[in-house]
Amino acid sequence: EAGVAQSPRYKIIEKRQSVAFWCNPISGHATLYWYQQILGQGPKLLIQFQNNGVVDDSQLPKDRFSAERLKGVDSTLKIQPAKLEDSAVYLCASSLSEPTQYFGPGTRLLVL
Amino acid sequence: AQSVAQPEDQVNVAEGNPLTVKCTYSVSGNPYLFWYVQYPNRGLQFLLKYITGDNLVKGSYGFEAEFNKSQTSFHLKKPSALVSDSALYFCAVRDYDMRFGAGTRLTVKP
Repeated sequence: EAGVAQSPRYKIIEKRQSVAFWCNPISGHATLYWYQQILGQGPKLLIQFQNNGVVDDSQLPKDRFSAERLKGVDSTLKIQPAKLEDSAVYLCASSLSEPTQYFGPGTRLLVL
Repeated sequence: AQSVAQPEDQVNVAEGNPLTVKCTYSVSGNPYLFWYVQYPNRGLQFLLKYITGDNLVKGSYGFEAEFNKSQTSFHLKKPSALVSDSALYFCAVRDYDMRFGAGTRLTVKP
């Protein structure tokens, strides 16, 4: 069974630029999560989708972050404009029957 | 709101010795507890979980964890450490959403 796929694996941008990350969950997993992991910290939930609907986005900085899962499968997370403090690893996870979540390899973002 | 604490930033053990990585939690109801491991430049890999039932939970790669309700702890253990166990370990608790600890770096020396 294929795991959670994410791309790109690494991204370097300058502040105020925009960036987008892509996630393909494990086939059949209805729930998809995006996490932000800052160096030296544990992952922090940004947004949770159930199929194509948002379940929880309370910790998503909505002035600059957006996410969508239009067809209930793949998802994209966008940052516009990026700030220096957005440098982190962005992890996507999915689950079939909660609560166990399975994580992708992450996208490492560096904002200069 | 739920929270989880990993009191040790770093744990060092010799290969072949038992290891313990500590985790304590705070949650209003019955906890769902997890351990994940993260290798360099990789995502988190699920090790084990406690939902209900036996307090001793067995997981992947020979790891186990003991749920202690009175001490609100869920320590990760392994009877004999391997050098390949060296990684970053995260404890997590789920109530409304998933909350992760800050992580403990385990180093197993040959």
